[in-house]
Amino acid sequence: QQQVKQSPQSLIVQKGGISIINCAYENTAFDYFPWYQQFPGKGPALLIAIRPDVSEKKEGRFTISFNKSAKQFSLHIMDSQPGDSATYFCAASISNTDKLIFGTGTRLQVFP
Amino acid sequence: DTEVTQTPKHLVMGMTNKKSLKCEQHMGHRAMYWYKQKAKKPPELMFVYSYEKLSINESVPSRFSPECPNSSLLNLHLHALQPEDSALYLCASSQDRVGTQYFGPGTRLLVL
Repeated sequence: QQQVKQSPQSLIVQKGGISIINCAYENTAFDYFPWYQQFPGKGPALLIAIRPDVSEKKEGRFTISFNKSAKQFSLHIMDSQPGDSATYFCAASISNTDKLIFGTGTRLQVFP
Repeated sequence: DTEVTQTPKHLVMGMTNKKSLKCEQHMGHRAMYWYKQKAKKPPELMFVYSYEKLSINESVPSRFSPECPNSSLLNLHLHALQPEDSALYLCASSQDRVGTQYFGPGTRLLVL
């Protein structure tokens, strides 16, 4: 019940296209859902995060869509660029606990 | 400023060596974390310090010994490591037990 399932494992998108990464969870106590972007050899960097009282959050080309009833959330990258090529992790946590539960990761490659 | 710094960037050590990893943040965050990340896998939580006290130890072998000298510093002392301990070691911090974790760039450790 503590798992976060992430798909796809890898994704190839052409420059200018839309990249979509999906995550699903079981534990309804989760109340914070961040997305992290990680380049090879670097630490994960927070990209965007959402709480379950909001169905969508947009920051620039990055949008999180959240479906509380389905216990699913997704990351959309609009106008994908080669510089977006990285591994993306969704995560979930419960307030006042110290644990961040990560999804398995999606390796995104954007080709010119 | 959301910077977490880690030293060294790379470390090669033999199985009989003793070495330490260092992490520093000056954001006034009260929670600090150590993670281990293997290639193509999500970060795995090792230890959590909250208000300079160890709050979580995820059943990590005793050859890894964390230390929190003050609220800005976190160390990870390494002794008698095994080759399978080779990984990227990440430090993170957060305001307290709620909210975003900010990651450092990591230390790439190779155990020979």
